[in-house]
Amino acid sequence: EAGVAQSPRYKIIEKRQSVAFWCNPISGHATLYWYQQILGQGPKLLIQFQNNGVVDDSQLPKDRFSAERLKGVDSTLKIQPAKLEDSAVYLCASSRWDTGTGSNEQFFGPGTRLTVL
Amino acid sequence: KQEVTQIPAALSVPEGENLVLNCSFTDSAIYNLQWFRQDPGKGLTSLLLIQSSQREQTSGRLNASLDKSSGRSTLYIAASQPGDSATYLCAVRPSNDYKLSFGAGTTVTVRA
Repeated sequence: EAGVAQSPRYKIIEKRQSVAFWCNPISGHATLYWYQQILGQGPKLLIQFQNNGVVDDSQLPKDRFSAERLKGVDSTLKIQPAKLEDSAVYLCASSRWDTGTGSNEQFFGPGTRLTVL
Repeated sequence: KQEVTQIPAALSVPEGENLVLNCSFTDSAIYNLQWFRQDPGKGLTSLLLIQSSQREQTSGRLNASLDKSSGRSTLYIAASQPGDSATYLCAVRPSNDYKLSFGAGTTVTVRA
């Protein structure tokens, strides 16, 4: 099965510009996650969707970050305006509930590396 | 709030040596624990997932143990190879949430 797809892979922008990232999860995975990973740290969850509804966005800086998953499949994460501290790798992950194992294992995409100058 | 710690932050070993990577967590009420591998500039690849009811999981040269009561997990990699060079992260899922809490990772270098 195809994995989680993300684009672009790399993006360089200047501060105060806007940027958008796209994610296509594994087919059939109802849950989609966006993480921010700053260099030298573990990923931090920004937002979690269940189908097209938001489950958790408690760590999303809502004054500048927004995300949507309109049809319950693809998702877009936007930053407007970007700040220097937004430089990070943005990872998308997806999961589905496995009734056999009782697991909800997350599978990650390759990430988008954002540099804000 | 769950805190996940991985020590050491970096490790360098000669080829063939066994690797021991540690992960500790503060809240023992977990649903499962997952070990990931991350290559430079790449996403995360899941290596092993241990459910809270399990003590260990094995896949090839990898073995992960879980001791919930002491808040610890260990990832063993037998007979290390240069291709094992990467950053290894552990992540804990609490029993009442889907949100993963990650450690900062251990960066491993296997010298040929």
